[in-house]
Amino acid sequence: GNSVTQMEGPVTLSEEAFLTINCTYTATGYPSLFWYVQYPGEGLQLLLKATKADDKGSNKGFEATYRKETTSFHLEKGSVQVSDSAVYFCALSPYNQGGKLIFGQGTELSVKP
Amino acid sequence: EPEVTQTPSHQVTQMGQEVILRCVPISNHLYFYWYRQILGQKVEFLVSFYNNEISEKSEIFDDQFSVERPDGSNFTLKIRSTKLEDSAMYFCASRYSGTGGAGQPQHFGDGTRLSIL
Repeated sequence: GNSVTQMEGPVTLSEEAFLTINCTYTATGYPSLFWYVQYPGEGLQLLLKATKADDKGSNKGFEATYRKETTSFHLEKGSVQVSDSAVYFCALSPYNQGGKLIFGQGTELSVKP
Repeated sequence: EPEVTQTPSHQVTQMGQEVILRCVPISNHLYFYWYRQILGQKVEFLVSFYNNEISEKSEIFDDQFSVERPDGSNFTLKIRSTKLEDSAMYFCASRYSGTGGAGQPQHFGDGTRLSIL
């Protein structure tokens, strides 16, 4: 079946530190991959996406590369800010299944000044 | 920027009562979804809706649940007889159907927190 596994949180970093949040997936075929972010009290916002192998999604300094050989889509940012504190969700949309999203469990990031 | 809106933001209901959660998707979107997030757990897919019918539903979406698009703008989730375990945050999402298929991102509302007493 289809599933997404993320690293456990919470992750606590100091401002300007390097961020990596690991995400691996299991899927048949060629899923699309997404990172969503949830700020406190808000809904899920798309952060970035990749739709095929070796695609790199990027937005607001965050990046993730679709690695089919390792079935991974790790999220990275070179220098985090306090405003990046949120919960980050990795998700996949299975190929040819109407676009539903399957989410990982979420990783809470806390950035301290 | 257009957004998905959900009402109410918080709904408190007695166990066994019916509840309707409302969503207004983005106007030119054609695929609609409901998800739920039980406190501390992952976001789970409930149902997808396209062309005025359910296209897929999860095993969570049993006979107590139904969805409807009663007019050209609203998309509702009804729980017929609520249980304590239905307490969760419910998210509505919509997606534009164009080139890119499932690679088109879903846009989420801020959610309705449903509390069953």
